[in-house]
Amino acid sequence: KAGVTQTPRYLIKTRGQQVTLSCSPISGHRSVSWYQQTPGQGLQFLFEYFSETQRNKGNFPGRFSGRQFSNSRSEMNVSTLELGDSALYLCASSLVGSDYQETQYFGPGTRLLVL
Amino acid sequence: KQEVTQIPAALSVPEGENLVLNCSFTDSAIYNLQWFRQDPGKGLTSLLLIQSSQREQTSGRLNASLDKSSGRSTLYIAASQPGDSATYLCAAPLYSGYSTLTFGKGTMLLVSP
Repeated sequence: KAGVTQTPRYLIKTRGQQVTLSCSPISGHRSVSWYQQTPGQGLQFLFEYFSETQRNKGNFPGRFSGRQFSNSRSEMNVSTLELGDSALYLCASSLVGSDYQETQYFGPGTRLLVL
Repeated sequence: KQEVTQIPAALSVPEGENLVLNCSFTDSAIYNLQWFRQDPGKGLTSLLLIQSSQREQTSGRLNASLDKSSGRSTLYIAASQPGDSATYLCAAPLYSGYSTLTFGKGTMLLVSP
């Protein structure tokens, strides 16, 4: 089975622009979670989607949004980029996301640099 | 809300040493705890998942233990190798009933030949 894929892998944007990142989960997985990783804050949960609905949301401003399509692929969007949005954005998938015995499988991440 | 802390933040050992990485969590009503490995600039690789009903899990040279009463987990690496050099993260469910995770900030391990 193919793993979690994320595109693009690297991205450079300038302040004020917007960006869209894409995540394709493992085939059959319906839960997709997004995380932001920075040197200062570590890994922080952004949001989780299941069956095209946002099920959980972390403590991030409204500039961060996402969606999930019927094939479970997910996108996240960041509008009005700030320098502090520079980070590694990781996507993780799991079968249903509500089973404590499930592990999450992570993609390689998209590294975003905001200048 | 679950919070996870890892110590030490960094560790440097010579090849062949046995070592222990520590993880503590605030909510003892934990359902599981996971250990991940992250190589520089890469995503996360799941190493071990310990259910609350288990006390430990083993995979090769890795052994992870879970003590809910004390709010601690340890990852034991036997006979360390240079290829073990990476950042090790522990994580626990952020919300009850979901596999969404909250992470510690990790321990950066360097194993010297």
